[in-house]
Amino acid sequence: SAVISQKPSRDICQRGTSLTIQCQVDSQVTMMFWYRQQPGQSLTLIATANQGSEATYESGFVIDKFPISRPNLTFSTLTVSNMSPEDSSIYLCSVEGGRDSTDTQYFGPGTRLTVL
Amino acid sequence: RKEVEQDPGPFNVPEGATVAFNCTYSNSASQSFFWYRQDCRKEPKLLMSVYSSGNEDGRFTAQLNRASQYISLLIRDSKLSDSATYLCVVNIWETGGFKTIFGAGTRLFVKA
Repeated sequence: SAVISQKPSRDICQRGTSLTIQCQVDSQVTMMFWYRQQPGQSLTLIATANQGSEATYESGFVIDKFPISRPNLTFSTLTVSNMSPEDSSIYLCSVEGGRDSTDTQYFGPGTRLTVL
Repeated sequence: RKEVEQDPGPFNVPEGATVAFNCTYSNSASQSFFWYRQDCRKEPKLLMSVYSSGNEDGRFTAQLNRASQYISLLIRDSKLSDSATYLCVVNIWETGGFKTIFGAGTRLFVKA
């Protein structure tokens, strides 16, 4: 499976500010995904980051709040804009792929965000 | 109704016990199935895929019943290190790709 890193691993931010999270993969991947996991909850897909085109957002998530970049096949960023305490969560990027199954997802270590 | 439902637990079992987790899914277009493990404050990690014929990986056995839309995970001879949250994951094929749905997870505590 791919090796995925995320930066920062955690941050504490003031409301009204923005944070950009980076996701780096050690191999080229077609599909990259951004998830949110709120405390005690399961994962919710925010968007699919497409290389060369705009991200595809899930219901309840909009580009103005969560702009995403995907400049190449190994890198993506997610920005959490104009943050409020409700945005406190773990943000995870994932990629699909693997030798045995192209529809299996592998996750980065996550970014733990706390908004004061 | 949630698309993927799991018993949230927690399951508290002694070392050496056998424990089984169940998961049901509502979308008959679901095509592939997985169990992930998530340790506290860590990312989910793939434990095993689930095949129609059933599959085993050491102490772990996964079963799929498409007719009943039901998936199970059996852990034999539980170890302390098995303590984690187990996520049932379903891929639904849609035009242009697949959509992944995560269950809320079942928490397992294995005690000495």
